[in-house]
Amino acid sequence: AQSVTQLGSHVSVSEGALVLLRCNYSSSVPPYLFWYVQYPNQGLQLLLKYTTGATLVKGINGFEAEFKKSETSFHLTKPSAHMSDAAEYFCAVSATGGYQKVTFGTGTKLQVIP
Amino acid sequence: GAGVSQSPSNKVTEKGKDVELRCDPISGHTALYWYRQSLGQGLEFLIYFQGNSAPDKSGLPSDRFSAERTGGSVSTLTIQRTQQEDSAVYLCASSFSRGDTQYFGPGTRLTVL
Repeated sequence: AQSVTQLGSHVSVSEGALVLLRCNYSSSVPPYLFWYVQYPNQGLQLLLKYTTGATLVKGINGFEAEFKKSETSFHLTKPSAHMSDAAEYFCAVSATGGYQKVTFGTGTKLQVIP
Repeated sequence: GAGVSQSPSNKVTEKGKDVELRCDPISGHTALYWYRQSLGQGLEFLIYFQGNSAPDKSGLPSDRFSAERTGGSVSTLTIQRTQQEDSAVYLCASSFSRGDTQYFGPGTRLTVL
């Protein structure tokens, strides 16, 4: 069984400030981890994913996330927020090996204040 | 090539009517997924197809929900005797093979009056 917890359903940051969206997971086997972004009235778009190898993963639009096994975390960060980053962000987990259902978190809405 | 497409983009129906939602996956993607996104509820997995078969139907909320996939391509999600609680955005995703990154369509917003 696997699960994802996203801390904070809403996060507000000032333009230019650090973005930190928290994600903790639970998985009985080594996980694959994902961050997706959903802009208003659009489908989900993959930001980045961790499968194996380097634990710091860089994605699109300047986002990155670090897989920390000891903390069962996969927090999403961006050094400087842009207005265009305002969206809803979903963390997701699946187990490695063959088909494994992807379990999504409940999402975090990011507001960027000018 | 083109991304995942879904139709219709919006559907308004009356309680008790049947609806069909369509998903066209990315060409060559063997895996196809349906999710439901309700306000404040996050994404709820409904069903997964590998080719034309559905090895995981565990997310279908009731027997009013069914889905099929033909030719390893287009999939249809059917909701019979719709209820107001079925109102949500229905998202389809496809991936090259099972376990790979999923690519999402724009969704169908279903409103049951």
